[in-house]
Amino acid sequence: QVQLVQSGAEVKKPGSSVRVSCKASGGPFSSYALNWVRQAPGQGLEWMGAIIPIFGIANHAQKFKGRVNITADKSTTTAYMELSSLRSEDTAVYYCARDFVRVGGTSFPWFDPWGQGTPVTVSS
Amino acid sequence: DIQMTQSPSSVSASVGDRVTITCRASQGISSWLAWYQQKPGKAPKLLIYAASSLQSGVPSRFSGSGSGTDFTLTISSLQPEDFATYYCQQANSFPLFGGGTKVEIK
Repeated sequence: QVQLVQSGAEVKKPGSSVRVSCKASGGPFSSYALNWVRQAPGQGLEWMGAIIPIFGIANHAQKFKGRVNITADKSTTTAYMELSSLRSEDTAVYYCARDFVRVGGTSFPWFDPWGQGTPVTVSS
Repeated sequence: DIQMTQSPSSVSASVGDRVTITCRASQGISSWLAWYQQKPGKAPKLLIYAASSLQSGVPSRFSGSGSGTDFTLTISSLQPEDFATYYCQQANSFPLFGGGTKVEIK
């Protein structure tokens, strides 16, 4: 059973960057999409982007293009999400989540499992 | 771009009640829809995928239906552990979540 463990809480200044990591263990990593979803305080879920580590190419939501960089290190089974030019509206909990994989290996764009979440606070 | 509209935004219900949450897509998404449950301070949990398939380990009181543009999540008999916020997610194109429905104790 794959488990995703994320890095710890961050406090950042406006204009700076943050990098959140997501380490996978207990199952396959490289062949399935790893997604990033954020949730601002009291708000809903927002998909930011995803990467399939074996290909190394990421897709991003239009809203974040130019500000988000999603990468993956197959050797350490760790994915990263870096968000730059931070502003107060980026204060949120950031989650990683893998595409759902059925028995047999077929994957689908539903999210399971999820990491525990990484709170990021942007404040001067 | 596809828009996902969930309703109601909140519902007050009692233990044992039947609760229905709807999700409407602005254009047809076939059965590319999932439902999640989220409790405060926790990551979302996948309940239903492909509109009507129950994720392993999820109680059978949860069910999903619909295709195309209109979808429904039903909790047949609400239990104390079901008070949470529920989200739909379309996966026909780039993933997009509905706004959420908070199920509260009446």
